[in-house]
Amino acid sequence: QVQLQESGPGLVKPSQTLSLTCTVSGGSIHSGSYYWSWIRQPAGKGLEWIGRIYVSGKTDYNPSLKRRLTMSLDTSKNQFSLKLTSVTAADTGIYYCARDHGDDTSGGWFDPWGQGTLVTVSS
Amino acid sequence: EIVMTQSPLSLPVTPGEPASISCRSSQSLLHSSGYNSLDWYVQKPGQSPQLLIYLGFKRASGVSDRFSGSGSGTDFTLRISRVEAEDVGVYYCVQALQTFMTFGPGTRVHIK
Repeated sequence: QVQLQESGPGLVKPSQTLSLTCTVSGGSIHSGSYYWSWIRQPAGKGLEWIGRIYVSGKTDYNPSLKRRLTMSLDTSKNQFSLKLTSVTAADTGIYYCARDHGDDTSGGWFDPWGQGTLVTVSS
Repeated sequence: EIVMTQSPLSLPVTPGEPASISCRSSQSLLHSSGYNSLDWYVQKPGQSPQLLIYLGFKRASGVSDRFSGSGSGTDFTLRISRVEAEDVGVYYCVQALQTFMTFGPGTRVHIK
């Protein structure tokens, strides 16, 4: 069965770039018609969809983050990544990656999810 | 942006009793496929969220048949037929009609 694992620095300084990678195991990132999404959760708060990428490289981003966000994928490593620039304390939280069962015109359900990685923005 | 609301935000439950959570969207989630693009997740304490219901009513693999989803358009309900202690957690609805997906605020289910 497919499993996802997030990785990246746990601490990022304000104004710098947050970079995270999600490694997919148990299946190929380019098999099946799946998107690959990032979702985050500020401490003690709800969930916010960040963005997603398809194997073709097509992306959809949350409009509130679009200006600072770049997503990419590396099929040779079975990974996809996000970069969020100019971070502030508001970007602190747990970041999850998930397989997205949507298509080109609509989103889809997220299954499975990674275990999440905590990112703290602080000097 | 489609805005999602949930009620109640906190739900005390008694084991063995039924429970339900309401979710509403600011616009219809009925997709051209005929399905509603509405999914439910539960986040148990210390865990990542997990899929419960997709397309409004389809149970995800491995999910107990105590859980059911219903509704159409803008009004949806998640029902637990008989609550068990392991069901405590935060339940989220999310709309997937648009590529910009949005979550409800979450409903915290806890034992009375």
